[in-house]
Amino acid sequence: AQSVTQLGSHVSVSEGALVLLRCNYSSSVPPYLFWYVQYPNQGLQLLLKYTTGATLVKGINGFEAEFKKSETSFHLTKPSAHMSDAAEYFCASREGVYKLSFGAGTTVTVRA
Amino acid sequence: NAGVTQTPKFRVLKTGQSMTLLCAQDMNHEYMYWYRQDPGMGLRLIHYSVGEGTTAKGEVPDGYNVSRLKKQNFLLGLESAAPSQTSVYFCASSKQGSGQYFGPGTRLLVL
Repeated sequence: AQSVTQLGSHVSVSEGALVLLRCNYSSSVPPYLFWYVQYPNQGLQLLLKYTTGATLVKGINGFEAEFKKSETSFHLTKPSAHMSDAAEYFCASREGVYKLSFGAGTTVTVRA
Repeated sequence: NAGVTQTPKFRVLKTGQSMTLLCAQDMNHEYMYWYRQDPGMGLRLIHYSVGEGTTAKGEVPDGYNVSRLKKQNFLLGLESAAPSQTSVYFCASSKQGSGQYFGPGTRLLVL
């Protein structure tokens, strides 16, 4: 079975600084990987996904993630944090044809 | 498109009461899912459906039942609510090969 581990349950960054959220997966087969964002009192919104092909994936709101098979990682980055990026972020991998396995989540706070 | 909608948004139950959560999607997606979200545990899959009339158990199915009588609707039932079922419940839908689209959630408090 596939699973994902998010390193760090809380990340605090200054406005304008780099945002880096870490995700490692365990899988014996090439995984499908996703990052979701959840704003307070809302559902999850898909930021980006990796299926096959290009290992650098660009998503919405200026986020991107790089799939590194050698490191079994799929870290999420944004060059310059904005106050509106304060939210909880979930990494997920697809199990089988349709099921997703989620990490525990990382809460991002942005300091003015 | 409304996307994925959930009813109700918030509910308080007493232990032993029953209720049904309704999920509806207007994207013609084949697959639908029910998750629960608890602090520090991410989302855990309760039940899912790969098509009208079919359902399957996820990671944490005990105490819940589901039905998918129509393609666009996926119902989650609690027959006898317990305080351990206090959570936020999310419904999601997807088509093959795509990411999942989530509803806004239902907050359930069981006293």
